[in-house]
Amino acid sequence: AQSVSQHNHHVILSEAASLELGCNYSYGGTVNLFWYVQYPGQHLQLLLKYFSGDPLVKGIKGFEAEFIKSKFSFNLRKPSVQWSDTAEYFCAVNARGGTASKLTFGTGTRLQVTL
Amino acid sequence: NAGVTQTPKFRILKIGQSMTLQCTQDMNHNYMYWYRQDPGMGLKLIYYSVGAGITDKGEVPNGYNVSRSTTEDFPLRLELAAPSQTSVYFCASTPTPGDRGISSYNSPLHFGNGTRLTVT
Repeated sequence: AQSVSQHNHHVILSEAASLELGCNYSYGGTVNLFWYVQYPGQHLQLLLKYFSGDPLVKGIKGFEAEFIKSKFSFNLRKPSVQWSDTAEYFCAVNARGGTASKLTFGTGTRLQVTL
Repeated sequence: NAGVTQTPKFRILKIGQSMTLQCTQDMNHNYMYWYRQDPGMGLKLIYYSVGAGITDKGEVPNGYNVSRSTTEDFPLRLELAAPSQTSVYFCASTPTPGDRGISSYNSPLHFGNGTRLTVT
């Protein structure tokens, strides 16, 4: 079974600071990788995903993530955060194959951006 | 297109009571899921369904039941509520594999707005 680790539980940044949130997964096979965002009081929304091709993927709102296969990592980055990026961020993975796209989620990272 | 709709938004139950969390989607998605979200724990899969009449257990199915009589609806049933079931519950769906080239493995989950359940 796959597992996902997000080592940063709570991150506080000032506006315009750069962001990098760590995500590591464990699974021996081929995986699809996702970052979801949950704004306060809202449901989860897809930020970006990787399933093949260029390991650097760009998502909405200026976010990007890089898949490094050798490190089993899929870190999320943004060069300059905004106050509106305050949210909880979840990394998720599913294994290729199987009967349904069951995602395994990390425990989440709460990002707080201060003015 | 309403997407995934969950009702109710909030509910307080007493220990031992039962209730059904409703979930319906209007996107003709065959795959549907129930997750629970606990603080600091991320989301855990309770049950999922790959189509009408087909359901299967996820990671944390104990204390829950589901049914899938139609493509649109995927209700989650709590028979004997316990304090450990206090959580936020999210229903989600994904498109049918092969539909316009979409694979279920890399298509994103479409989430509902969640149901906040407290059991006291």
